[in-house]
Amino acid sequence: ETGVTQTPRHLVMGMTNKKSLKCEQHLGHNAMYWYKQSAKKPLELMFVYSLEERVENNSVPSRFSPECPNSSHLFLHLHTLQPEDSALYLCASSLVKLRDRYTEAFFGQGTRLTVV
Amino acid sequence: GENVEQHPSTLSVQEGDSAVIKCTYSDSASNYFPWYKQELGKGPQLIIDIRSNVGEKKDQRIAVTLNKTAKHFSLHITETQPEDSAVYFCAANIRNFGNEKLTFGTGTRLTIIP
Repeated sequence: ETGVTQTPRHLVMGMTNKKSLKCEQHLGHNAMYWYKQSAKKPLELMFVYSLEERVENNSVPSRFSPECPNSSHLFLHLHTLQPEDSALYLCASSLVKLRDRYTEAFFGQGTRLTVV
Repeated sequence: GENVEQHPSTLSVQEGDSAVIKCTYSDSASNYFPWYKQELGKGPQLIIDIRSNVGEKKDQRIAVTLNKTAKHFSLHITETQPEDSAVYFCAANIRNFGNEKLTFGTGTRLTIIP
């Protein structure tokens, strides 16, 4: 148990569906991340919310939409996905300090997404 | 582009022997190098990290070495045990087109043979 909780653990959705992935942490961290893990690209950063700023990976399609209502919760809204979007979606959080920007990232167990 | 390369992609080691995984990075400004272990059905978990102001760090059976000049760092696991079997990822903070982010290697599947 890392302190980062993701729901659901498994999700099967059709290409016309809209669904959301949820991530929650109560570790007092100020940065949260979405990663995509697939056989092709083992750990690919999608979005970062750090110190209340959102940083995007410009290669992420607009059918993925993140939302971070507060420092403890992170969502990934999904709509009109493609079969190639099937992957494990991992959420992570960390404590970003001004001096040491990078510190240990705590990962959730992931949501296994299958798009049919 | 700026990236992190990791080798080998798979590694089988007899129980009790040592395992070494190597990574190279391209951004000379990188200064943070963590190693993560991912077991089946779980998210990655940090096992050790090193910053650029030191050349080596050790935690029991695990050690990491950093060569800033050559831009490579390695994970060393000694006296391997079956529970060391997992996928290991290295990472480095890489600057790319003005954006800095933690970039991961492609992973090494380590299998410890009893």
